[in-house]
Amino acid sequence: RKEVEQDPGPFNVPEGATVAFNCTYSNSASQSFFWYRQDCRKEPKLLMSVYSSGNEDGRFTAQLNRASQYISLLIRDSKLSDSATYLCVVNGQLNGGSQGNLIFGKGTKLSVKP
Amino acid sequence: GAVVSQHPSRVICKSGTSVKIECRSLDFQATTMFWYRQFPKQSLMLMATSNEGSKATYEQGVEKDKFLINHASLTLSTLTVTSAHPEDSSFYICSAEHSGTVTDTQYFGPGTRLTVL
Repeated sequence: RKEVEQDPGPFNVPEGATVAFNCTYSNSASQSFFWYRQDCRKEPKLLMSVYSSGNEDGRFTAQLNRASQYISLLIRDSKLSDSATYLCVVNGQLNGGSQGNLIFGKGTKLSVKP
Repeated sequence: GAVVSQHPSRVICKSGTSVKIECRSLDFQATTMFWYRQFPKQSLMLMATSNEGSKATYEQGVEKDKFLINHASLTLSTLTVTSAHPEDSSFYICSAEHSGTVTDTQYFGPGTRLTVL
């Protein structure tokens, strides 16, 4: 089983649509979870951290289910500028200290059309 | 704030040459920096963890003698690809850990695209 698995997509949606991405991770000891966004041929940029209680940032909502080792990202009212690859990221560090060793999923490609 | 730069952004070299990539944290100090590599349509893979003033920690399968890492200051880490070959062509991205944040967030540089002919 891969450490972080995501549906590769692509997800092709019209502007204004709501789209959900899912991710599963294999290491039950993981402590930190993130969604990153990566534009074509660019570096990944942190979109949001994912907290146990779930968290929202504008149109973006992230959920974490530790029991199922499942993370989700919901994008509401999608914009053309949301088109990118969304990376599910989990920290691989089992002990405390440096977060280090981020484990990246392959990403889910989103294409928002006019 | 929390800006990380990389230089060069793109390099094309002949097989057998060595290439040096610099990663700088511009407005914060980074005790720890990370080097990743991303092949087309693949996920980022951690190559090594670079700690200021000490030896880097390499991930399994990454040759430490081929990918030399130096982290001489709190704002600079360098990755040297020695005797580069076409299979080393990839997108190399560094990140710096901002220890001043609650969750020790990593901030990524813009990446260096290496093409070895």
